[in-house]
Amino acid sequence: DAGVTQSPTHLIKTRGQQVTLRCSPKSGHDTVSWYQQALGQGPQFIFQYYEEEERQRGNFPDRFSGHQFPNYSSELNVNALLLGDSALYLCASSFGAGGKAFFGQGTRLTVV
Amino acid sequence: DAKTTQPPSMDCAEGRAANLPCNHSTISGNEYVYWYRQIHSQGPQYIIHGLKNNETNEMASLIITEDRKSSTLILPHATLRDTAVYYCIVRVVDSGYALNFGKGTSLLVTP
Repeated sequence: DAGVTQSPTHLIKTRGQQVTLRCSPKSGHDTVSWYQQALGQGPQFIFQYYEEEERQRGNFPDRFSGHQFPNYSSELNVNALLLGDSALYLCASSFGAGGKAFFGQGTRLTVV
Repeated sequence: DAKTTQPPSMDCAEGRAANLPCNHSTISGNEYVYWYRQIHSQGPQYIIHGLKNNETNEMASLIITEDRKSSTLILPHATLRDTAVYYCIVRVVDSGYALNFGKGTSLLVTP
């Protein structure tokens, strides 16, 4: 049983560009959440998707957007990249909004 | 969700019990205590959670004080692979899914 899978594992982008990160949830899970983890900090909640809708959002600007597909997989899009967007982006899935969360290995984004 | 306070770092000898404390003095009656850990360069891993009774699973034990204002995660026989950052989080289960991670406790298990 594959767990939560994220792609790509590493990515380098230039300031001002746009990026799309992808996440496939654990089998049987229907809810996907995204987190940003800066170096030396704990993960910060970006948003959660359930039934293809954004259900909850953290304190992140509109440059951060997402999507959930009918097969429950999800994308995180970040526009107009800033140097400060460099971080590890984590995807977590669960069955239902309050279910136990399982995290992927993350995508390391570097903005230069 | 209530805030938590954890020591920034701890050491533990391999084979000994690791006891990681967490203060959550403003916890509400419907908030659970969750523990996650993050091994370097990996995603966080669920360990255990509880409401007011002590809990045990194959990974760890969770001891919650009677007034619920603090808790302790116990790794009974720490190994080198338990070296990680441990996060204590309090959350209302049905409030949504956002986990409010703090900075956690960096546990170093030494030979």
